[in-house]
Amino acid sequence: AQKITQTQPGMFVQEKEAVTLDCTYDTSDQSYGLFWYKQPSSGEMIFLIYQGSYDEQNATEGRYSLNFQKARKSANLVISASQLGDSAMYLCAMREGYQGAQKLVFGQGTRLTINP
Amino acid sequence: GAVVSQHPSRVICKSGTSVKIECRSLDFQATTMFWYRQFPKKSLMLMATSNEGSKATYEQGVEKDKFLINHASLTLSTLTVTSAHPEDSSFYICSAQRDGNEKLFFGSGTQLSVL
Repeated sequence: AQKITQTQPGMFVQEKEAVTLDCTYDTSDQSYGLFWYKQPSSGEMIFLIYQGSYDEQNATEGRYSLNFQKARKSANLVISASQLGDSAMYLCAMREGYQGAQKLVFGQGTRLTINP
Repeated sequence: GAVVSQHPSRVICKSGTSVKIECRSLDFQATTMFWYRQFPKKSLMLMATSNEGSKATYEQGVEKDKFLINHASLTLSTLTVTSAHPEDSSFYICSAQRDGNEKLFFGSGTQLSVL
């Protein structure tokens, strides 16, 4: 069974608009962590944001925010005021279990294209 | 911030040769490193967990004898693709865990092309 699901293979958004990238997860663990990474065409992995399963507030990092809905097991990434440089592959990932184990499982990714 | 260096960034080799990829944590000690493989336009697939001073833990379906992992020190893990074949062509990327830090630090990746 897929543990991390990103249902949007590709998205096209107009510059300056907000965009929501979907991510749902499946786990029976009580303790887990959710991550979003950005991967430009160069291949490097850029950490964007992290949400712990016990965090009560949604994580925010600048223009990035994570809409964490625990009951629905979703962890959508919201990018406000999109920029041309935001065009990239976006990967949602989950770490199961205790914090010390950083084995991540990635979703299929969403390729985001920002149009001028 | 913590930096993970991966080398080489790109390698082209003939079928049947072996290729070694290095992953170094430059400013922290990493007891655990991870190796991922990524096909074009696809997501990252975890291949193995590299543990300093012990054998690597491989994911199901990953050939241990094909992908040799050595984690001889707290700052270096190597992945050797043995007797490479065209189907081994892929993007390989490593990551390192820093104690007490939630996020993983990734290397810049290695594009392997086997002719």
